Amino acid sequence: AQKVTQAQTEISVVEKEDVTLDCVYETRDTTYYLFWYKQPPSGELVFLIRRNSFDEQNEISGRYSWNLQKSTSSFNFTITASQVVDSAVYFCALSGGGATNKLIFGTGTLLAVQP
Amino acid sequence: DAGVIQSPRHEVTEMGQEVTLRCKPISGHNSLFWYRQTMMRGLELLIYFNNNVPIDDSGMPEDRFSAKMPNASFSTLKIQPSEPRDSAVYFCASTYDRPSQPQHFGDGTRLSIL
Repeated sequence: AQKVTQAQTEISVVEKEDVTLDCVYETRDTTYYLFWYKQPPSGELVFLIRRNSFDEQNEISGRYSWNLQKSTSSFNFTITASQVVDSAVYFCALSGGGATNKLIFGTGTLLAVQP
Repeated sequence: DAGVIQSPRHEVTEMGQEVTLRCKPISGHNSLFWYRQTMMRGLELLIYFNNNVPIDDSGMPEDRFSAKMPNASFSTLKIQPSEPRDSAVYFCASTYDRPSQPQHFGDGTRLSIL
């Protein structure tokens, strides 16, 4: 069975600090896809980034970076120089490589960035 | 491009009433998902469609819930009769029928059953 675990329920940082959100996944698929979504206080769910299972390189986009480590089944997401607008709940999600395109979501991490 | 459009944004109704939530997916997307989000249970997948056909409705809580997708540009989620425990935010999402593609979510419908 597939599973996504976000052990950090809440993180609080001060603006300009770097913060890493942890995600651990379980799957038996050899091909799979991982996603991060952001849910700001306004409530919408916004797609941020995607990673496929055969690409373990670190990737950076602006203040965001993400790293897939298959050896530890982790897919971590880092925000550099955090800002108050980054305050949100962040969800990690897993999609299998089979016929289904269902997403398995983690329980989310609430990030509070203090000014 | 228009995103996923859900209506209404908010719904307050009394227990026992029928509730219909609506969703218009992104044009060209052929997979559509209905989720429910509560503090207690987080994000739950209720049902999803591929090419207008229900594929997995195992998350539908009970017979009071039903969902339809009569065409590629419209879906409804109906609750009849509604109960206070149905109060939640209901999200619709759409994507292409490939596991590599991200789902794109509507703004949600905040449902309150009194």
